Amino acid sequence: DIQMTQSPSSVSASVGDRVTITCRASQGISSWLAWYQQKPGKAPKLLIYAASSLQSGVPSRFSGSGSGTDFTLTISSLQPEDFATYYCQQANSFPHTFGQGTKLEIK
Amino acid sequence: EVQLVESGGGLVQPGGSLRLSCAASGFTFSSYWMSWVRQAPGKGLEWVANIKQDGSEKYYVDSVKGRFTISRDNAKNSLYLQMNSLRAEDTAVYYCARDRVRQDAFDIWGQGTMVTVSS
Repeated sequence: DIQMTQSPSSVSASVGDRVTITCRASQGISSWLAWYQQKPGKAPKLLIYAASSLQSGVPSRFSGSGSGTDFTLTISSLQPEDFATYYCQQANSFPHTFGQGTKLEIK
Repeated sequence: EVQLVESGGGLVQPGGSLRLSCAASGFTFSSYWMSWVRQAPGKGLEWVANIKQDGSEKYYVDSVKGRFTISRDNAKNSLYLQMNSLRAEDTAVYYCARDRVRQDAFDIWGQGTMVTVSS
């Protein structure tokens, strides 16, 4: 199985900050990577697919990059509603594994 | 409105069985792969299983193989997860999710249904 490792596991930031979360795959997955946002008690929400494509309706302050084994999710200017947990997920092969999550907290 | 609504969760004893359902609306259900994803309390997300549009292909995470069965009824716009020989480690919120056409992400999620395995 492909292991997905996110870093950091948690990060504190302020409104207006630029934040970057990284995700590393244990083997190459081309661009078969998605990013999700999850708020407490809610279902995950798709933000980015195919490593860098923005899902419809998602604000443009979210962006994704990378290919192969190393990927990043960047939030260019944090808004109050962005404080949540973020997960990466590979769709290159079954099982479609997720990273362990990165909790983004208010500083 | 595109929507997925899960049902069927509850409390079950170890070794017991439970059948989850997911009702789809607002899109052509028969055109999409569908998946189940779970999340244990306070933990991360785990993909459980998925099924092709016509039910001819199914895939499972190793930890549920031989115990869980995914199925669908396109006439009823419904997805199912039959869970047998349940263990404490199966305790989780179970989400049904729609695969994007390219199967590169899950673009629509239900609200989830809680399954608790405990004596």
